[in-house]
Amino acid sequence: GQQVMQIPQYQHVQEGEDFTTYCNSSTTLSNIQWYKQRPGGHPVFLIQLVKSGEVKKQKRLTFQFGEAKKNSSLHITATQTTDVGTYFCLKPKTSYDKVIFGPGTSLSVIP
Amino acid sequence: NAGVTQTPKFQVLKTGQSMTLQCAQDMNHNSMYWYRQDPGMGLRLIYYSASEGTTDKGEVPNGYNVSRLNKREFSLRLESAAPSQTSVYFCASSREYSNQPQHFGDGTRLSIL
Repeated sequence: GQQVMQIPQYQHVQEGEDFTTYCNSSTTLSNIQWYKQRPGGHPVFLIQLVKSGEVKKQKRLTFQFGEAKKNSSLHITATQTTDVGTYFCLKPKTSYDKVIFGPGTSLSVIP
Repeated sequence: NAGVTQTPKFQVLKTGQSMTLQCAQDMNHNSMYWYRQDPGMGLRLIYYSASEGTTDKGEVPNGYNVSRLNKREFSLRLESAAPSQTSVYFCASSREYSNQPQHFGDGTRLSIL
């Protein structure tokens, strides 16, 4: 099946620094979803992107869907300790694959 | 405002024992999912039920069975537990399969000795 890659696997930032995680697919996606999981918690849905080149913002978080709809990014401006957690992207089903979560990017914020 | 409820929250089993993990949602969602999460492995789909009356294998179905008891409930059964099945198990639901946000339960932390 077609997998989804996320980079980086881990990121440690100083509080106030920016952070970006990337989600890459080898195939064109109909949409992409992003989730956040706090340590010890469960994944929580953040957003879904559908259109080519789409950009959506949620306060300090900016989500982007690539023009070719094969990649997506999540950018956090001026990280805070509340941003700590693992960020996952979710690829929708295709004719040959089930829904697939990316391996995630674990963010640590040093106060 | 329960959302997705999983029971139990914690369980310790011996190798070879059987166990059923329960999941119920109160959002009238059509689709339900079971995932396992191991350190560094992300979330892997075990089984899913796109709609009431249907179930399908996910990425890692071996050693598991599922039952979609009704629209609300989706259970996961380990017939003969193995140490490799030690993991955190999450149940999730969504309005429709694949293109709708998934809502997760709090998880079941399962250890098999």
